[in-house]
Order: sequence, then C-alpha cells, then structure tokens
Amino acid sequence: AQTVTQSQPEMSVQEAETVTLSCTYDTSESDYYLFWYKQPPSRQMILVIRQEAYKQQNATENRFSVNFQKAAKSFSLKISDSQLGDAAMYFCAYRSRRSEKLVFGKGTKLTVNP
Amino acid sequence: GAVVSQHPSWVICKSGTSVKIECRSLDFQATTMFWYRQFPKQSLMLMATSNEGSKATYEQGVEKDKFLINHASLTLSTLTVTSAHPEDSSFYICSARAVLSEQYFGPGTRLTVT
Repeated sequence: AQTVTQSQPEMSVQEAETVTLSCTYDTSESDYYLFWYKQPPSRQMILVIRQEAYKQQNATENRFSVNFQKAAKSFSLKISDSQLGDAAMYFCAYRSRRSEKLVFGKGTKLTVNP
Repeated sequence: GAVVSQHPSWVICKSGTSVKIECRSLDFQATTMFWYRQFPKQSLMLMATSNEGSKATYEQGVEKDKFLINHASLTLSTLTVTSAHPEDSSFYICSARAVLSEQYFGPGTRLTVT
C-alpha cells in the first residue's frame, strides 16, 4: 500500500522569507501523481501544485515550487516570499495513475510570522 | 470553474436522529464523488467512493449501513448519517472529479451530535 509521510507537524516562517515543507512517499508504481493541498482555517481544501511522476521538470505555480526526487521518493514544497495568507495546514498527497483515490499525509501546520 | 458545494455547512442534531449532507458539483459533471472525514488537527480519511448510478464503495472499517451514500446524478451526491451518536461528530468533506480531472473539494460540513 502506498503511504505518504510528512515529518514536520509544524513549521514557521517570517513574512517574505522562504520555507520548505518535506514529504516522502512509498510506492512500487512508476506512474503516479503527487500533490500539495492547502487547508486554511476555513477548511476549504485548495490544490496548490501538481506533479506528474513521468515529468522530470519540477512543477511551479507562482511562489510555489516543488523539488521532486523520484529515486528518493521525495516531494518537497518551497514557498517563496511567504505571505500571511499562506498560513494553513499543508497536505502532501499521492495518486496512482491506476486509481482515483488520493492518499494523504498527516499534514504540516505552517505559521507565518509578521 | 470546478466548484463543489456542500450543504449544510454546519448541522447540529440529537443523538439517534439521521442527518443528510449534500454535495453538488456546480459547473461540471462529476463521474466520481468522494466522502472524507476529518477529525480535529488530523488528515482526511477517505470513507467511500461513489460513481453516478452505482453503489458506493466503502473503505475498510466504514459502516455502510451507518453512512448511506447516494450518487443519484452527475452533479449530486448525498451522505446520510443514520442514528447519529456523539462519536459521529466530525468534519465531513466531499470531493468530485470529472473524467480525466483531479478531485475538487467542497467546503466541508461540520456535524455536531448532542
């Protein structure tokens, strides 16, 4: 079974600084997708970024970028120029191409200090 | 685009009664809908997957007679918590996906059973 591990229960960053959230996963498959979701206090899950495993190029979305290391099964999220609105729970998730189901990590709570 | 709504956003019910939660895809046809449960400060736990017009597939440990799921149309799925008890109090989140798309999440429903 696939598993997703987020080893940092909480992280904090100063406004305008950069922070990296860690995620590792375990799978025997070669074709899959990885995601970072943001859950602010409103609890609405928001897709931040998506990475396809067969693509070597790391995905980026404005201030958000990932470091995808397929061999190491690592998928970290870098947030640049952190803003107060970035404060939220961040969940790393995995989906096999063969499945519709998402497998979530336990989440990292990010605090942004002014 | 890709908006998913849930109703109600918060419901309080008495122990022993049943409560229904609706999940609607507002601007796309959802071939598959998912129901999750989230306890405070924890990750999302998949309860079941439903496809339009067919019976839901429940995850191991989820009582299908207690959590009734109906996916009657391509835009509507309902979760009914039958004979609710205080331990059923939780945050319930639905998501929906169209063919070849990712999951889009609803804003969640907070259920409190007194």
